[in-house]
Amino acid sequence: GNSVTQMEGPVTLSEEAFLTINCTYTATGYPSLFWYVQYPGEGLQLLLKATKADDKGSNKGFEATYRKETTSFHLEKGSVQVSDSAVYFCALTVRSNDYKLSFGAGTTVTVRA
Amino acid sequence: GAGVSQSPRYKVAKRGQDVALRCDPISGHVSLFWYQQALGQGPEFLTYFQNEAQLDKSGLPSDRFFAERPEGSVSTLKIQRTQQEDSAVYLCASSLDDIAGGTGELFFGEGSRLTVL
Repeated sequence: GNSVTQMEGPVTLSEEAFLTINCTYTATGYPSLFWYVQYPGEGLQLLLKATKADDKGSNKGFEATYRKETTSFHLEKGSVQVSDSAVYFCALTVRSNDYKLSFGAGTTVTVRA
Repeated sequence: GAGVSQSPRYKVAKRGQDVALRCDPISGHVSLFWYQQALGQGPEFLTYFQNEAQLDKSGLPSDRFFAERPEGSVSTLKIQRTQQEDSAVYLCASSLDDIAGGTGELFFGEGSRLTVL
């Protein structure tokens, strides 16, 4: 089946620190990979995506590279802000069943001023 | 409205009661999804509609769960004879098209938090 494993939280760090959230996956078929973010009091929203190997998704200073050889899609940001405090979810779909997102458990990130 | 709207935001039910959760998707969105999110977990797929057709209900945990979207717009998730294990946040999401090709861009509501006592 399809599954996503992401780094357990919570993660607490200071402003301007470097953030990495690890995500690895297993998939039957060729997956597309996503990071969703949930800010406090809001719904989940797409942060970035990559649909094929070696693609890099980027948005709002966050980046993630689709690594087929290591089945990973780690999320990184070089200098976090307080406003980045949120829950981050790694997710995938496979093209044979591509309406169905499989999510990881989520990683709570708190950035302190 | 501009986004996906869900109601009620919070629902407390006694075990055995029936509940109905409503989702208003973004106007014109073809696809509609229900997900269940237990505390500390990621969302789990429940069911998928394309317009009024329920194309996949494989994630519904039991026959106590029923979803409908009769006119291809608003959807209702109904849970009959609620049990404590049904306590979770129920998320609705919509997408403009049938997202073939794995675009994965779903627009989520804030969810309905169900607590069964």
